[in-house]
Amino acid sequence: DIQMTQSPASLSASLGETVSIECLASEDIYSYLVWYQQKPGKSPQLLIYAANRLKDGVPSRFSGGVSGTQYSLKISGMQPEDEGDYFCLQGSKFPLTFGSGTKLEIK
Amino acid sequence: EVQLVESGGGLVQPGRSLKLSCLASGFTFSNFGMNWIRQAPGKGLEWVASISSSSNYVYYPDTVKGRFTISRDNAENTLYLQMTSLRSEDTALYYCARTPNYYFDYWGQGVMVTVSS
Repeated sequence: DIQMTQSPASLSASLGETVSIECLASEDIYSYLVWYQQKPGKSPQLLIYAANRLKDGVPSRFSGGVSGTQYSLKISGMQPEDEGDYFCLQGSKFPLTFGSGTKLEIK
Repeated sequence: EVQLVESGGGLVQPGRSLKLSCLASGFTFSNFGMNWIRQAPGKGLEWVASISSSSNYVYYPDTVKGRFTISRDNAENTLYLQMTSLRSEDTALYYCARTPNYYFDYWGQGVMVTVSS
């Protein structure tokens, strides 16, 4: 199975700060990587697919990147509504596997 | 507007069975693969099952293979998850989600399954 090692587990950021969340795949997943945001009591919302393609309607301060098997989610300018949990998902191979999640809070 | 509404959850004893349903609307159900994903209380997400648009292909992780069965009724726009031999570790919020490709683009609000004696 492909392991997705997500870091950090938690993160505290000031308003306007740029934050980055990483997911390291245990093997090549060919950019079959998506990012989700989940707020308390809500279902996950798709932010980015294919490693760096922004879903329509998602603010442009969100961006995705890839370097080898390391995938990243960047928020350029933290906003209050960005608080929540973030998960990556690899869709390269079954079983589909998620990262363990990152809890992002306002400092 | 895409809507996915899960139902059928509840409290069930270990070893018993339960069947979840997910009613879809706002899109052509028969054109999309569908999935179940679960989230144990306070924990991360775990993919549970996938089914292709015409039910030709189904996939499961080892944790539920042989115990859970995903199915669908395209005429009724409904996705199902039959769960048997339930264990305490199956306790979770179960989401259904649509697949346009290899990921999930729309999720339901989830239905809670609690396995306890």
